[in-house]
Parts: sequence; structure tokens; C-alpha cells
Amino acid sequence: EVQLVESGGGLVQPGRSLRLSCRASGFTFGDYVLTWVRQAPGKGLEWVGFIRDKAYGGTTEYAASVKGRFIISRDDSKNIAYLQMNSLKTEDTAVYYCTRDVWGRFDPWGQGALVTVSS
Amino acid sequence: QSALTQPASVSGSPGQSITISCTGTSSDVGSYNYVSWYQQHPGKAPKLMIYDVTNRPSGVSNRFSGSKSGNTASLTISGLQAEDEADYYCSSYTSSSTLVVFGGGTKLTVL
Repeated sequence: EVQLVESGGGLVQPGRSLRLSCRASGFTFGDYVLTWVRQAPGKGLEWVGFIRDKAYGGTTEYAASVKGRFIISRDDSKNIAYLQMNSLKTEDTAVYYCTRDVWGRFDPWGQGALVTVSS
Repeated sequence: QSALTQPASVSGSPGQSITISCTGTSSDVGSYNYVSWYQQHPGKAPKLMIYDVTNRPSGVSNRFSGSKSGNTASLTISGLQAEDEADYYCSSYTSSSTLVVFGGGTKLTVL
């Protein structure tokens, strides 16, 4: 079964950092782009960014709202992608999903990790 | 304000058909056939229902269909069932620096 499982969410103070993990199983992780999407409480989906597969250099792209603060990385040997979130703001409070990305086709999605930024 | 515009809500009775629109611009929906639709039940992760405008993933009911005309994509659900009640989101590639944009979501109520 193709599956993604996020971990690492929690409560963090503004200005601090947090790292989310996304563990994949059931497919050749290294062959795929991995995307992060977030959803603020009661709001819609927002694209955060993605990391390309090794064949495309493993490069990253980010939404303007997180560029310079968030870093996406991957460890293909462990089938894990990471979302390092620095200088967190209250508006970053959301459920963060990782999802496999095939030309904008996001499938499957993880169960989500709740990140709450509050003092 | 979301980049793609969807109606906030739609409703229909069991057995009826409904259509949800997703309006973008010539920089996103109008330029790419990478339009997808997602279903999200409360407290759950989104689920892919349509990709590449018209394609249905394996396991998704053929009651769900997608189309596009110009800058507007549409999701049609025929033979509405109670289990279809959920939020629906469209997404598209975009030539802007954002790269991927979502619609604001549409809440489907089955009366």
C-alpha cells in the first residue's frame, strides 16, 4: 500500500523552529517529487513547496509566504522527506500534509501533522 | 483570497447532479491541463478525485467527472449520494512564482 505518514507536529512559540518528517512506504520514494501543503484551521489548502526527485537535481521551490524561512529536504535512503520550519509565525498555525506529486497530481496524502504557533 | 475561485457552497438532493466551477486565469487553468480535484471530509486528509482535468484515479467512482473550458474547470458529480457530502478543492499549475494554486474550496451539502 502506498502510504505517507507525517510526524513532528506540536506547539511551538513564535520565532522558534520545528521540523516535520514524512515517511513514505509502498513505492520507490526516490523517483517522485514530494510536496507539502498546509491548511489553517477552518481554511482552505495552501501549497507550501516541493522537492524534486534526484533525476531533476533534488531542487526545491517554495511559496512566497514561507520562502527564506522553510526548508524542504529528503533522505532517499530512509524514504523520508523533511520540512524544517524556522522563524515561525502565528499565521503558520495549520495542519501540514505531505503528498506525492506527479505533475500536480497529489496522491496519496499523509494524515497531517498539526503545528500550533502560540506563546 | 485564493488564486482559483470556487463557489463557497453547492447543494443537491440524492440522485441529482451538481457541478462545481473553478475559475482561474490564462496563467493557470487556461494554460495547463494539470488541473486536479480533491475531496475532503471533516478531519480527514484530502483525496484525489480527478487529475489532468478529466482523468479519474483507480477506485474513484465514475459518478465523478471533470472538464475545462478556457480559464474555468468544472467537477460534476452525478447520482449524488450522502457520502459525497464534503469539501471539494481544485488545484492547478501556474506560471506565477507560486507554481501551484488551490481554489478556496466548495462545501457540498446533500439535502
